[in-house]
Amino acid sequence: QITLKESGPTLVKPTQTLTLTCTFSGFSLSTSGVAVGWIRQPPGKALEWLALIYWNDDERYSPSLESRLTITKDTSKNQVVLTMTNMDPVDTGTYYCAHSLDFWSGYDRYYYGLDVWGQGTTVTVSS
Amino acid sequence: ENVLTQSPDTLSLSPGERATLSCRASQSINSRFLAWYQQKPGQAPRLLIYGTSSRATGIPDRFSGSGSGTDFTLTITRLEPEDFAVYYCQQYGSSPLTFGPGTKVDIK
Repeated sequence: QITLKESGPTLVKPTQTLTLTCTFSGFSLSTSGVAVGWIRQPPGKALEWLALIYWNDDERYSPSLESRLTITKDTSKNQVVLTMTNMDPVDTGTYYCAHSLDFWSGYDRYYYGLDVWGQGTTVTVSS
Repeated sequence: ENVLTQSPDTLSLSPGERATLSCRASQSINSRFLAWYQQKPGQAPRLLIYGTSSRATGIPDRFSGSGSGTDFTLTITRLEPEDFAVYYCQQYGSSPLTFGPGTKVDIK
């Protein structure tokens, strides 16, 4: 059974750096095709994708936030860490991590969506 | 960036009725890379459909997906009380991964 859980501060001040950790079980981030992504949701608003890291260390970022984001993985600890610099009140919201399967077989790519999500962690940016 | 738009914004229906939700992309998507999620208040999103029409594990068969190119549809054949929620489409045929703004299905 795949599970993920987000952890980190609930309150950060403007201009500070946010560090969130996704701790997972039931899969290995060294298995071909496996990825973990981060998605956020401001209160009452839609989902926004932030970043994704693959089993092979490939990293993908939202273009609008790329300069502020870093995603890393620690396979031995079953963790993925997201850092976001220069936090602003508009970054307030719930942050989720999710498991994904996305792989190539020959010339064909297969994508199975963000199939398991963590419960989310709420982050408020305020002085 | 492949922008997804969803319609309608809100769909007001009664239990037992059929719901048809639309997702339109600004650029054509290979059907393998279109997914749908359900989100209830205070909960994380749940994957319903991947690859346009494949149901995720444990998803009842009243949920179905269809479409191609730039137009995709999620259909709920007979709404159950637990189906009233917000539904998001999502693509990852091209980076960046994008979500639609969501359609809220509420009780009429």
